[in-house]
Amino acid sequence: DAKTTQPNSMESNEEEPVHLPCNHSTISGTDYIHWYRQLPSQGPEYVIHGLTSNVNNRMASLAIAEDRKSSTLILHRATLRDAAVYYCILRSFQKLVFGTGTRLLVSP
Amino acid sequence: DGGITQSPKYLFRKEGQNVTLSCEQNLNHDAMYWYRQDPGQGLRLIYYSQIVNDFQKGDIAEGYSVSREKKESFPLTVTSAQKNPTAFYLCASTPRGEDQPQHFGDGTRLSIL
Repeated sequence: DAKTTQPNSMESNEEEPVHLPCNHSTISGTDYIHWYRQLPSQGPEYVIHGLTSNVNNRMASLAIAEDRKSSTLILHRATLRDAAVYYCILRSFQKLVFGTGTRLLVSP
Repeated sequence: DGGITQSPKYLFRKEGQNVTLSCEQNLNHDAMYWYRQDPGQGLRLIYYSQIVNDFQKGDIAEGYSVSREKKESFPLTVTSAQKNPTAFYLCASTPRGEDQPQHFGDGTRLSIL
């Protein structure tokens, strides 16, 4: 299973943009890039996913490098409710492989 | 509302006992999954099932068993052979297709008395 590498933690101020990086140098051509986030004692929540092109939804944007070896999750205006652990995951054949994720701290 | 229901939210097990964690979904999803999460760690896959009456071992299946007799149900049994069962257990489901996201339940926290 292809692995992802993320920083352990990042900090942001409320209402500022946040860029969460993810490296996945061993990605294969059929792997989708998924992002989930998890609050304490809750199940992960789907955020966004993509294959090759950049993606936008109501929660976030996903920027995928041209060689697909890295991606960035963009929260356009962080709120206190965005404080969570964010997981970057490569999905192939119905399976997700979770790393330890990035803990995002948001200050008022 | 459609979703995934895990029960109970908290579960206590005595040494040597088997316990079964419930997972039900009304999303009409084909595939279902069980994950284990230890403190400060990511999720690890225990078992998954892509269709009824079929399931595959994940990365840490030893000491666990599952069944998939109905599309909407995927119970997980933690057997006495699992030596360190204290963890947060998460169930997920997904519709068929490579680009479909997984939907997660709210988890069951299992502790040993």
